[in-house]
Amino acid sequence: QVQLVQSGAEVKKPGSSVKVSCSASGGTFSSYTISWVRQAPGQGLEWLGRIIPVLGIANYAQRFQARVTLAADKSTGTAYMDLTSLTFEDTATYYCAAVPAATDYFHTMDVWGPGTTVTVSS
Amino acid sequence: DIQMTQSPSSLSASVGDRVTITCRASQTISNHLNWYQQKPGKAPKLLIYAAVSLQSGVPSRFSGSGSGTDFTLTISSLQPADFATYYCQQSYNTPITFGQGTRLEIK
Repeated sequence: QVQLVQSGAEVKKPGSSVKVSCSASGGTFSSYTISWVRQAPGQGLEWLGRIIPVLGIANYAQRFQARVTLAADKSTGTAYMDLTSLTFEDTATYYCAAVPAATDYFHTMDVWGPGTTVTVSS
Repeated sequence: DIQMTQSPSSLSASVGDRVTITCRASQTISNHLNWYQQKPGKAPKLLIYAAVSLQSGVPSRFSGSGSGTDFTLTISSLQPADFATYYCQQSYNTPITFGQGTRLEIK
């Protein structure tokens, strides 16, 4: 089964951008869709978008559409989430999650990365 | 966007209790409903998918039911490891949305 490793914690200034990586190992990267979910401190889960690495097709939650870009490098088995124009409200833990192609119809996020903490601070 | 509403928001129970958590969708989502468990400082863990299917490796004391707009997650006999926060998630439409969570605490 695939395992996901994410890049390390980031501290960013308001107005800047952050790029988080998510590397897959132990499985076939092309057999998964990768979703990105964030969780602000003490809050619930919020979906940002997903990418199908084998096709390079992404779709986004409308509220993030203008600020988030998802990408994937099939050759290295790595997915990326780029979030621009950061505000204090973007302070959160950002997770990538793998959705097997076999259960993509139900978008079952059954393997998660450990999370990357992004802190926006002046 | 489809709104997912869980109840209760928090719940106190004892080891051995039977517990039910409810999730209601703002429109019909057929059986496109998943349940996750999250412990502090950890990523969520998939428990139930397609409303009723137990994810591999998840103990059989967890079960899911429902279709349309109303769904339940039941834990038949609470174990110490089950004290956590539980989220429902719909995959019927994008954006994928989650319930606000139900925090299950030890009484």
